[in-house]
Amino acid sequence: EAGVAQSPRYKIIEKRQSVAFWCNPISGHATLYWYQQILGQGPKLLIQFQNNGVVDDSQLPKDRFSAERLKGVDSTLKIQPAKLEDSAVYLCASSSRGKGANTGELFFGEGSRLTVL
Amino acid sequence: GENVEQHPSTLSVQEGDSAVIKCTYSDSASNYFPWYKQELGKGPQLIIDIRSNVGEKKDQRIAVTLNKTAKHFSLHITETQPEDSAVYFCAAIRWGQNFVFGPGTRLSVLP
Repeated sequence: EAGVAQSPRYKIIEKRQSVAFWCNPISGHATLYWYQQILGQGPKLLIQFQNNGVVDDSQLPKDRFSAERLKGVDSTLKIQPAKLEDSAVYLCASSSRGKGANTGELFFGEGSRLTVL
Repeated sequence: GENVEQHPSTLSVQEGDSAVIKCTYSDSASNYFPWYKQELGKGPQLIIDIRSNVGEKKDQRIAVTLNKTAKHFSLHITETQPEDSAVYFCAAIRWGQNFVFGPGTRLSVLP
């Protein structure tokens, strides 16, 4: 079974530029998450999708971050304009957890490492 | 909201020794506690989990214990091997909410 795919693996940009990350979840997983992992910290949830609807985006900095999940499968996370503090690994995860359920494994991709200069 | 603390932040053990990582949580309504292992350059991977109606769970060399009264849970790794070297994250979740991860523990197993 293929895992969660993410691209690009690495991206270096100047501050105020834009960047987009792509995620393809495990086939059949209805729930998709984007996490931000700053060096030395645990993953922090940015946004959760259930199929193609947003369930939780309370921690997404909406003035600069946006995300979409077209047709309930692939997802794209965009940052525009980027700030120095956005340097982090952006992890995509998927799960078969239903909305409102709290157990069940999260399957993570390998992440996209962003460096903002 | 939930707050998860994790100790120690770094841990070095000799190969074959045991390692213990402890997490504390703040929300008494949390009822699911997974542990994830993150190897260098990879995403976290679930290694064991426990629910609040169970006090202990074991899977070969790893075990997790839960003390609901004290609001803490621990990961125990016995007979450590070099491939156990990684960053370990705990999380605490209450029904209907999302995972809140601890800050992580970097475990180094020295040969």
